[in-house]
Amino acid sequence: SYVLTQPPSVSVAPGQTARITCGGNNIETKSVHWYQQKPGQAPVLVVYDDSVRPSGIPERFSGSNSANTATLTLSRVEAGDEADYYCQVWDGISDHQVFGGGTKLTVL
Amino acid sequence: QVQLQQSGPGLVKPSQTLSLTCAISGDSVSSNSAVWTWIRHSPSRGLEWLGRTYYRSEWYNDYAVSVKSRISINPDTSKNQFSLHLNSVTPEDTAVYHCARESASGWVDFWGQGTLVTVSS
Repeated sequence: SYVLTQPPSVSVAPGQTARITCGGNNIETKSVHWYQQKPGQAPVLVVYDDSVRPSGIPERFSGSNSANTATLTLSRVEAGDEADYYCQVWDGISDHQVFGGGTKLTVL
Repeated sequence: QVQLQQSGPGLVKPSQTLSLTCAISGDSVSSNSAVWTWIRHSPSRGLEWLGRTYYRSEWYNDYAVSVKSRISINPDTSKNQFSLHLNSVTPEDTAVYHCARESASGWVDFWGQGTLVTVSS
């Protein structure tokens, strides 16, 4: 089955840029979606279809997808961005939704 | 605005069946464009998709390979809700379980509040 690989953790100072990667075989052929999950809360969709922001999500959140890596970029990081971030794709071969293992973003 | 309200027990004994229900408001379980899904979250495994049910002139189900032999997800059109049944549970099934709606394009746009289910004797 399709596997998505994320780094377990990313650390960044406030005001800097954080990049969270999601690796998968030929992932550029799939639509990648990203979720933010804070402790005790349900996940929130922050980017869908590689790079589209849902309404209400700040412009500081952006996404890209190329070759074997999709990337979620958070610009001008704030303390409130500290959370777990998950990428997700649909695997049409197995008819499964697939989530990455998650990345814990720490704001120093 | 779609709202999903979960109900069900928070404690299940090993080898028994975990059963949760998700009541839908603001949409229909029989919608021809929505997909109704169960996802669980645990610190050790992160987010794990369990399966889904949806209606496209007839009912369909897809299940994760990891639980396929133990799971069923069933719509209830009379109550506009859907349910999760996971049998032969073990402590490894301890997690927060979420019902959710998938858009027709595959992302999850609405989530239930989550239910912590602990498998313990």
